[in-house]
Amino acid sequence: DAGVTQSPTHLIKTRGQQVTLRCSPKSGHDTVSWYQQALGQGPQFIFQYYEEEERQRGNFPDRFSGHQFPNYSSELNVNALLLGDSALYLCASTEGMNTEAFFGQGTRLTVV
Amino acid sequence: GQNIDQPTEMTATEGAIVQINCTYQTSGFNGLFWYQQHAGEAPTFLSYNVLDGLEEKGRFSSFLSRSKGYSYLLLKELQMKDSASYLCAVVARGDYKLSFGAGTTVTVRA
Repeated sequence: DAGVTQSPTHLIKTRGQQVTLRCSPKSGHDTVSWYQQALGQGPQFIFQYYEEEERQRGNFPDRFSGHQFPNYSSELNVNALLLGDSALYLCASTEGMNTEAFFGQGTRLTVV
Repeated sequence: GQNIDQPTEMTATEGAIVQINCTYQTSGFNGLFWYQQHAGEAPTFLSYNVLDGLEEKGRFSSFLSRSKGYSYLLLKELQMKDSASYLCAVVARGDYKLSFGAGTTVTVRA
């Protein structure tokens, strides 16, 4: 049973560019959350998708947007990249109201 | 928002016991999680507490006191592979998200 998978694993972008990160949830999971983890910090909640709708959003600007597809996979888009967006982006999936989240390996984004 | 505090670093010897404390302030409480994260890897679930008391799972135990806004993770019989960051995370009532502390880096020495 594949767990949560994310792609790509590493990415280097230039300031001002746009990036799309992808996540496939664990089999049987219908809810996907995205987190940003800066070096030496805990993950910070970006948003959560359920039934293809954004259910909750953290304190991130509108440059961060997302989407969930009918097969429950999800994308995170970041526009107008800033140097400060460099971080590990983690996707986590859960099943229904079960709060135990399973995390993917993350995408390491470097903005130069 | 939620304030979650845990020590930055701890060092212990192989075979010893280490206790990682976590204090939190939240508007309503709906559970506390502990995750382990090795460098460059995904966080992995260790434990979940929603009621007061001790939850034991092999070498790892987690304790919760809701009235004190306090939890600890106890790691027994430390092994070198336990060297990792340990993340405390709280779910507030009515929330769907995990609110994480900054993590505690545990280094196990031979």
